[in-house]
Amino acid sequence: QVQLVQSGAEVKKPGASVKVSCKASGYTFTSYYMHWVRQAPGQGLEWMGIINPSGGSTSYAQKFQGRVTMTRDTSTSTVYMELSSLRSEDTAVYYCARDLVPAAKGQDYWGQGTLVTVSS
Amino acid sequence: SYELTQPPSVSVSPGQTARITCSGDALPKQYAYWYQQKPGQAPVLVIYKDSERPSGIPERFSGSSSGTTVTLTISGVQAEDEADYYCQSADSSGTSWVFGGGTKLTVL
Repeated sequence: QVQLVQSGAEVKKPGASVKVSCKASGYTFTSYYMHWVRQAPGQGLEWMGIINPSGGSTSYAQKFQGRVTMTRDTSTSTVYMELSSLRSEDTAVYYCARDLVPAAKGQDYWGQGTLVTVSS
Repeated sequence: SYELTQPPSVSVSPGQTARITCSGDALPKQYAYWYQQKPGQAPVLVIYKDSERPSGIPERFSGSSSGTTVTLTISGVQAEDEADYYCQSADSSGTSWVFGGGTKLTVL
């Protein structure tokens, strides 16, 4: 069965970086794009970017350009999202979600979420 | 930057029909998707490609599109449908995605 398993909760200080992982199983890793979406406490969903695990190409939301980097490791079927220069407003649950983009099927499987807390 | 606009809240009685709208300039050119999110849970896809329903999603969930507005319709609303609903789509270039602000559905 399809599973997206994310790394555990993180506590970071302002100015630091965080790297969240998302390990995929149960499907062909390189056949599905991966989105990263975050949700601040009590707020809505916010799209951060997308990576194509096949070639590694990425597209980031303008808001995060220069601060976010998405990478993948095809040998372990894992994608990573690194966010730098953290500030308190980055405190949120971060989700990965797969998407068969060319077929426009939407994000049909989501990770369990990773809480990142930024606090001095 | 591109935006999708949803009403903050919708309230209906059990058995009634709930309609949640989402407006955006690029919606005539880009597909819309709808997600249901209950407290403490990850979102769940309920509609893709404007009006397609994933397997396992009840038939009471449907989607439609007209111009710059897409609509999620829940017929015969049940108590378990109480949740936040988000629309999602891409901008006109298709390289950047966005979520609407979300609509809280309350079942009275």
